[in-house]
Amino acid sequence: AQSVTQLDSHVSVSEGTPVLLRCNYSSSYSPSLFWYVQHPNKGLQLLLKYTSAATLVKGINGFEAEFKKSETSFHLTKPSAHMSDAAEYFCVVSGPGGGSQGNLIFGKGTKLSVKP
Amino acid sequence: EPEVTQTPSHQVTQMGQEVILRCVPISNHLYFYWYRQILGQKVEFLVSFYNNEISEKSEIFDDQFSVERPDGSNFTLKIRSTKLEDSAMYFCASSVERNSGNTIYFGEGSWLTVV
Repeated sequence: AQSVTQLDSHVSVSEGTPVLLRCNYSSSYSPSLFWYVQHPNKGLQLLLKYTSAATLVKGINGFEAEFKKSETSFHLTKPSAHMSDAAEYFCVVSGPGGGSQGNLIFGKGTKLSVKP
Repeated sequence: EPEVTQTPSHQVTQMGQEVILRCVPISNHLYFYWYRQILGQKVEFLVSFYNNEISEKSEIFDDQFSVERPDGSNFTLKIRSTKLEDSAMYFCASSVERNSGNTIYFGEGSWLTVV
């Protein structure tokens, strides 16, 4: 069965410092992996996705994530945090059947706080 | 940029009442989904819909739930007799295709409170 574990429920960084949001996955086949972001009172927005192409994936707003099969990880990083990055971030893996039918498996989310 | 829109943004209903949550998917998308997030818990898949029929549903999606595409633009989720535990944020989503890795676009959610 597919699952995803976000290792931190809350991460706090200072503006201008690097961001690291950790995610480990479990999948019985080569997964598709995603990071979504949810700003307060907003919907879920796709940041980036991995679909078995390049292992380093670049997304919007300067975020990137690296797929590491040996570590079953897909951590999200950004070199320099901005106040507008404060939001909840979800690591997501495609569900049974390789993601067909749109059955996405969500992590519990990591709330990112950015201090001035 | 096209987006998925949902109404209402927030609804309060009494236990046992019927609720209909509405969604307008992105216009050229063919696959539609409902997810929900109970406060403090994970976002969970409910159902996917294609070609006017359910293509997959989770264990959560029991007989109390139904989905419909009544016209060419709307996609609705009906809860027949709401229970307290149905209180959650309900997200509608859509995609062009359904293959693995395809981008699914989510709406802003409808927050349902059952009292």
